[in-house]
Amino acid sequence: GAVVSQHPSWVICKSGTSVKIECRSLDFQATTMFWYRQFPKQSLMLMATSNEGSKATYEQGVEKDKFLINHASLTLSTLTVTSAHPEDSSFYICSAPYRDRGVSPLHFGNGTRLTVT
Amino acid sequence: AQSVTQPDIHITVSEGASLELRCNYSYGATPYLFWYVQSPGQGLQLLLKYFSGDTLVQGIKGFEAEFKRSQSSFNLRKPSVHWSDAAEYFCAVGPSSGGSYIPTFGRGTSLIVHP
Repeated sequence: GAVVSQHPSWVICKSGTSVKIECRSLDFQATTMFWYRQFPKQSLMLMATSNEGSKATYEQGVEKDKFLINHASLTLSTLTVTSAHPEDSSFYICSAPYRDRGVSPLHFGNGTRLTVT
Repeated sequence: AQSVTQPDIHITVSEGASLELRCNYSYGATPYLFWYVQSPGQGLQLLLKYFSGDTLVQGIKGFEAEFKRSQSSFNLRKPSVHWSDAAEYFCAVGPSSGGSYIPTFGRGTSLIVHP
């Protein structure tokens, strides 16, 4: 159990275009999902917390108008990078907590490599 | 505030040798502790977790970790490393209150395995 599917695994887009990344919990419901960004050889940076049926909570310094998050159902959250620029190129990973004996470790998608040209 | 320190950026071992990756945490109470592994270009996979009870925790792929409260440590070990274990390893700490939470990750340790 606790499978998180992320799509696409990689995407190349031109500057100024928008890109949507999907994150699905396949065998459990996730009222909360987390979106991370990872720079090469670095740890995970939490960008935002996606909440089903309500607005996402963004971490300090993350532009909510650039990184649009929608969590329309209990199994799907999407991250849209709007008007992408080369500096948005990065590895984006989603995760969802899966309750296990009262605690909820995070389970991660396989990530999306975004390259903006 | 909670924090995690992984003092080793890189660790190099020979295949078949034993492995220990260090993790120290800072937290006011007994935390929940996790080790994740990340293969290149992939997401993170949960190796093992500590909630309470036995301080020696067994995980997948032959890994184990030991919680030592006196040293605020949760080191990851494997008795015999395989070439496929080469990856990035992240230690994470979460608050001991129940329910969903946001863990804090260490910066990661890159494991290099020589044949």
